[in-house]
Amino acid sequence: GAGVSQSPRYKVTKRGQDVTLRCDPISSHATLYWYQQALGQGPEFLTYFNYEAQPDKSGLPSDRFSAERPEGSISTLTIQRTEQRDSAMYRCASSPGQGIGQETQYFGPGTRLLVL
Amino acid sequence: AQSVTQLGSHVSVSEGALVLLRCNYSSSVPPYLFWYVQYPNQGLQLLLKYTTGATLVKGINGFEAEFKKSETSFHLTKPSAHMSDAAEYFCAVTEDYKLSFGAGTTVTVRA
Repeated sequence: GAGVSQSPRYKVTKRGQDVTLRCDPISSHATLYWYQQALGQGPEFLTYFNYEAQPDKSGLPSDRFSAERPEGSISTLTIQRTEQRDSAMYRCASSPGQGIGQETQYFGPGTRLLVL
Repeated sequence: AQSVTQLGSHVSVSEGALVLLRCNYSSSVPPYLFWYVQYPNQGLQLLLKYTTGATLVKGINGFEAEFKKSETSFHLTKPSAHMSDAAEYFCAVTEDYKLSFGAGTTVTVRA
């Protein structure tokens, strides 16, 4: 697509429910990133994919968080048994190459998650 | 470990005045540095980046930033603010692929 898209844009859920967020990167981009942004803070790295491979998931806050990119394109981020502290903006980005530092990461509009 | 500090969470400038947003970083290796802007209801958009070479980097919308290794700084400037510059600005650093962001600076422009 023309840009990175994310859905839903807003999600309200109750504590204990599972949620799945979706990211559709720029077509042909090899690398996809997930970030979490708490209110008043900058985005923080969660995980990234190089095609289907997930070389680094060190930023995932707990084992309730998981991500996948099974066909090397669309990715989903799933949060199980949501907690109020999971409320944040979740941002997805993609880059054309193998995830080297000087590459520009192109961001989607984000998904605002509110856990009641 | 890499990190970024943005001085000032809010900056208010008059239309036509200089915009100066401060960013200091820490990195154990030569860093790559970025400024992103977020307009309401939009994603983060790259303003400019420093990778190697010339330390004065020009970006979109008349913004520029200068990499100063001795000061570990990458301050963002624009000579003359426009109403459309009202947004939130993030400085970021990376040594590899993970971007580390500052907390952001919200810019308001007074008519």
